[in-house]
Amino acid sequence: GAVVSQHPSRVICKSGTSVKIECRSLDFQATTMFWYRQFPKQSLMLMATSNEGSKATYEQGVEKDKFLINHASLTLSTLTVTSAHPEDSSFYICSARDIRVYEQYFGPGTRLTVT
Amino acid sequence: DAKTTQPPSMDCAEGRAANLPCNHSTISGNEYVYWYRQIHSQGPQYIIHGLKNNETNEMASLIITEDRKSSTLILPHATLRDTAVYYCIVRVLLNTGTASKLTFGTGTRLQVTL
Repeated sequence: GAVVSQHPSRVICKSGTSVKIECRSLDFQATTMFWYRQFPKQSLMLMATSNEGSKATYEQGVEKDKFLINHASLTLSTLTVTSAHPEDSSFYICSARDIRVYEQYFGPGTRLTVT
Repeated sequence: DAKTTQPPSMDCAEGRAANLPCNHSTISGNEYVYWYRQIHSQGPQYIIHGLKNNETNEMASLIITEDRKSSTLILPHATLRDTAVYYCIVRVLLNTGTASKLTFGTGTRLQVTL
């Protein structure tokens, strides 16, 4: 089956620093990738949709200057959390849609802890 | 996209069938029913989807009522590893190859017990 990887799986950073999370589709090409955030005991919330070679579309309430998304190739999208604060601590999950089919596959998630 | 309603939690004995209901009474004719699950601290996993016919794959069966206002996901022989939050989502798929966003509700927390 289609595999989506994320790196790192866990990261701890100090307040004020930036953190980059990578999302890769390993065995398929994805023109569209999605970034979700999940707080403890809550559901996944879509943050943004990124299309290869164009700017990401952010959901209402998500700061585009704080959460920088780059979708430079058909297999890689990155999310950079800039000037991270403790309230950004969360589980970040990416998802990629296979261009051949409608299916959307999810990565294993990245747990970010900002101290 | 149509909203869905699911019970917050369910229990199932291991080896028995788990039947997870979903209500989507405002579903449109071009909206598909999707099921995903999320095991604790992992990304969601696709299970199955359908439009109006019942569907079956190696993981589960999806039963959609004739009026399409509700559906049931069936795990025929639940195991402890099936303990997860199960999400029922409706979304539009277009012939152009695009699809509407996957919007997650609160889902059903299924606990499989010995």
